[in-house]
Amino acid sequence: GQNIDQPTEMTATEGAIVQINCTYQTSGFNGLFWYQQHAGEAPTFLSYNVLDGLEEKGRFSSFLSRSKGYSYLLLKELQMKDSASYLCAVMDSNYQLIWGAGTKLIIKP
Amino acid sequence: DAEITQSPRHKITETGRQVTLACHQTWNHNNMFWYRQDLGHGLRLIHYSYGVQDTNKGEVSDGYSVSRSNTEDLPLTLESAASSQTSVYFCASRQGDTGELFFGEGSRLTVL
Repeated sequence: GQNIDQPTEMTATEGAIVQINCTYQTSGFNGLFWYQQHAGEAPTFLSYNVLDGLEEKGRFSSFLSRSKGYSYLLLKELQMKDSASYLCAVMDSNYQLIWGAGTKLIIKP
Repeated sequence: DAEITQSPRHKITETGRQVTLACHQTWNHNNMFWYRQDLGHGLRLIHYSYGVQDTNKGEVSDGYSVSRSNTEDLPLTLESAASSQTSVYFCASRQGDTGELFFGEGSRLTVL
C-alpha cells in the first residue's frame, strides 16, 4: 500500500530551527510537495522536490532522498506566524498526490 | 487575480438530504480535484477531473458525485448525506500533471 509518515506534532521556540521529517512508500514517484496550512485555512504551496538534494527558499528549505524514501522541511529563524500544520505529499506514478496526515508545529515565545 | 472559490463555506444539513458544494476557478486549469480533510487523516481524494466532460473516482468516492460541464466549475454532490460525511471539503486545481495545487478556502459540512 501507499503510506506517508510524518510526526503528529512538534514544538519549537521562536527564533530557533526545526526539522520536520517525512518518510514515504508509494507506487512510483513523481515528486514530493510540502504545503503549509494555518488553522481553518486552505493549504498553501511551500516547496517541490523531484531530484535528490536540498532546495532553499528563504527561511524554508526542503531536502529529498529518493533512495531512502525520505524528505525533511527545515524552518529557520522561527516566527510565531510559522505556527501551522505542515503537509507532506508525494505524487505517485499516476500523478495523484498521496498526503500525509500533517505535522502540527507549535511555536513558543 | 485568478482564484478558486467554494460555496457555501459552512453548511449544516440533515441525514438523507442532497447537498451540493460549488467550486469555481478562474485559473483556466484543466485539472480539478475534490478532497476531504478529517482529523488524523491526510487529505483524501474524492473525485477529480482532467477536463470538460471528464470525471474520475478517487479513493473515497462512495456517496459522492461530480460533473464537469465547463472548465471553471466542478460541483460536488452528496446524493444522500450521511453523518460520516461530516468533514471539511477542499476543492483544488492545477495546470498540467505536476504543477502545484491551488486550493479553495474550504467548505465545512455538518450532517446531523
